[in-house]
Amino acid sequence: KAGVTQTPRYLIKTRGQQVTLSCSPISGHRSVSWYQQTPGQGLQFLFEYFSETQRNKGNFPGRFSGRQFSNSRSEMNVSTLELGDSALYLCASSLAFTGGVDTEAFFGQGTRLTVV
Amino acid sequence: AQTVTQSQPEMSVQEAETVTLSCTYDTSENNYYLFWYKQPPSRQMILVIRQEAYKQQNATENRFSVNFQKAAKSFSLKISDSQLGDTAMYFCAFISSNFGNEKLTFGTGTRLTIIP
Repeated sequence: KAGVTQTPRYLIKTRGQQVTLSCSPISGHRSVSWYQQTPGQGLQFLFEYFSETQRNKGNFPGRFSGRQFSNSRSEMNVSTLELGDSALYLCASSLAFTGGVDTEAFFGQGTRLTVV
Repeated sequence: AQTVTQSQPEMSVQEAETVTLSCTYDTSENNYYLFWYKQPPSRQMILVIRQEAYKQQNATENRFSVNFQKAAKSFSLKISDSQLGDTAMYFCAFISSNFGNEKLTFGTGTRLTIIP
């Protein structure tokens, strides 16, 4: 069974540009979450989608947005990039984040975004 | 809001020794899950072990075991017979069981180095 796939693996963008990152969850998983990892702030929750609906959102500005498609694939978009957006962006999928036995999150290898 | 604290930024032990990583958390909730994730240089987060808060018995997975003290809000990870492949960043994480609040909150991590 294929794992969580994130594309691209590496990305370099210029300040002010926008970027879209993609995450394909494990087959059958309906929940996709996004996390930002930086040396200074650690791992921070961005948002979570379940069955195409955003269920949870972290404390990030509106420049960070996402969506989930009917096949559970998710995209994350960052507009008007700032230098501080340079980070490893991790995607995790789960059968269901409902607090039951299916709360294990499987992570992708991440997208390393560098803003110059 | 939940917080997770890992007070040991770095640790190192000799191969085959036992090492314990500390984690404390703060929450007002009664139902939740705790996890230890491992992030090797490949960047992919891998679940090491999980603990349901309603279970008094400490979880074990082969060489990995936890000491879960719910009243003290402590959740330490013990690695027995450490191996070179255990070298990685280790993150303690918390997730609520309450619907609508299921987002992983991570600690700042402990960098563990196994010395040959």
